Amino acid sequence: AQTVTQSQPEMSVQEAETVTLSCTYDTSESNYYLFWYKQPPSRQMILVIRQEAYKQQNATENRFSVNFQKAAKSFSLKISDSQLGDTAMYFCAFREYGNKLVFGAGTILRVKS
Amino acid sequence: EPEVTQTPSHQVTQMGQEVILRCVPISNHLYFYWYRQILGQKVEFLVSFYNNEISEKSEIFDDQFSVERPDGSNFTLKIRSTKLEDSAMYFCASTGRIYEKLFFGSGTQLSVL
Repeated sequence: AQTVTQSQPEMSVQEAETVTLSCTYDTSESNYYLFWYKQPPSRQMILVIRQEAYKQQNATENRFSVNFQKAAKSFSLKISDSQLGDTAMYFCAFREYGNKLVFGAGTILRVKS
Repeated sequence: EPEVTQTPSHQVTQMGQEVILRCVPISNHLYFYWYRQILGQKVEFLVSFYNNEISEKSEIFDDQFSVERPDGSNFTLKIRSTKLEDSAMYFCASTGRIYEKLFFGSGTQLSVL
């Protein structure tokens, strides 16, 4: 079974600084997708960024970027210029053929002013 | 951007009662899902639905649960006899193609008393 591990239950960062959230996963597949979802206090699930496993180039969405290391099965999220609105729970998720998303336990990120 | 709509946003029920959670996926989507999140825990897959049948279900999705797409627009999750441990946020999600991102609804918070 696929597993997703987020080893940091909580993280804090000062406003305007950079923070990196870690994620590792386990799979025997070669073709799959990886995602970071943000869950603010409203509990809505918001897609932050997506990475296709067959692409070597790391995905970037404005202040959000990933460091995808396929051999190491690592998928970290970097948030640059952190803003107060980035405060949320962040979930790493894995999806292979069959469409089911498997989520990690989440990392609570607190951005401090 | 199109949205997945879930109603109600919050439902309170007595243990042993039946509940139906309703979702309207995005209109041209073909794959539908239910996930749940017990407070403070990770998001867990319940069931996926494609071509009018269940394509995959988790161990959580036992005989007390059922899904239906009764009219081509709604997608419902029924819990026949609710238990205290069914209290959770239930998320509906849909996607148009395999490997495309999942669009999540804003969730229904189910409280079983």
